[in-house]
Amino acid sequence: EAQVTQNPRYLITVTGKKLTVTCSQNMNHEYMSWYRQDPGLGLRQIYYSMNVEVTDKGDVPEGYKVSRKEKRNFPLILESPSPNQTSLYFCASSLSRDSPYNSPLHFGNGTRLTVT
Amino acid sequence: ELKVEQNPLFLSMQEGKNYTIYCNYSTTSDRLYWYRQDPGKSLESLFVLLSNGAVKQEGRLMASLDTKARLSTLHITAAVHDLSATYFCAQTLLTRGSSYKLIFGSGTRLLVRP
Repeated sequence: EAQVTQNPRYLITVTGKKLTVTCSQNMNHEYMSWYRQDPGLGLRQIYYSMNVEVTDKGDVPEGYKVSRKEKRNFPLILESPSPNQTSLYFCASSLSRDSPYNSPLHFGNGTRLTVT
Repeated sequence: ELKVEQNPLFLSMQEGKNYTIYCNYSTTSDRLYWYRQDPGKSLESLFVLLSNGAVKQEGRLMASLDTKARLSTLHITAAVHDLSATYFCAQTLLTRGSSYKLIFGSGTRLLVRP
């Protein structure tokens, strides 16, 4: 089944403890992206990647890192999480590097992160 | 800077009624997406509107795009409970790095009451 898989689904951590949220897609998509969803703010893009080894900042990249060493994986790294990073995170992918202009995004099931 | 504004943000309606959700955006673009999110779930693509005057329909939902007015609408006909969800519109923006990104509206939470 074609899908975007995120892990974990739920994560509670403490301030400053490094964490990684994994994202993997099995559709051979070139474009991948991370969003955070907060009440009243919709979804905001954190980072995106148009292909392997090509990543760029979105609208809210502060406090996050990403890497794209393989086409299928796009992990989100929080080196020193803070409470303002408590949010619902979505990974998404799309077929081509020109996405999302040309094709819709396929979203993972989300990771709810709480930082205390 | 591209802004995407939806209204209403919350909509409670009775089954069988019709209603429209509005999506206004601030820059010129010929492509707009509608997504649906069920509570606690991921986002699912509903429609992509590719040009001025585009209209797409699926079941009781119909989406349209007016690029001159910078407006998209999502019309609900004879609402049923299964349509209860949050609906997002999203507009594409060409970035300085010559790539595209989606800018999402805040979402409209729809509750269809019996």
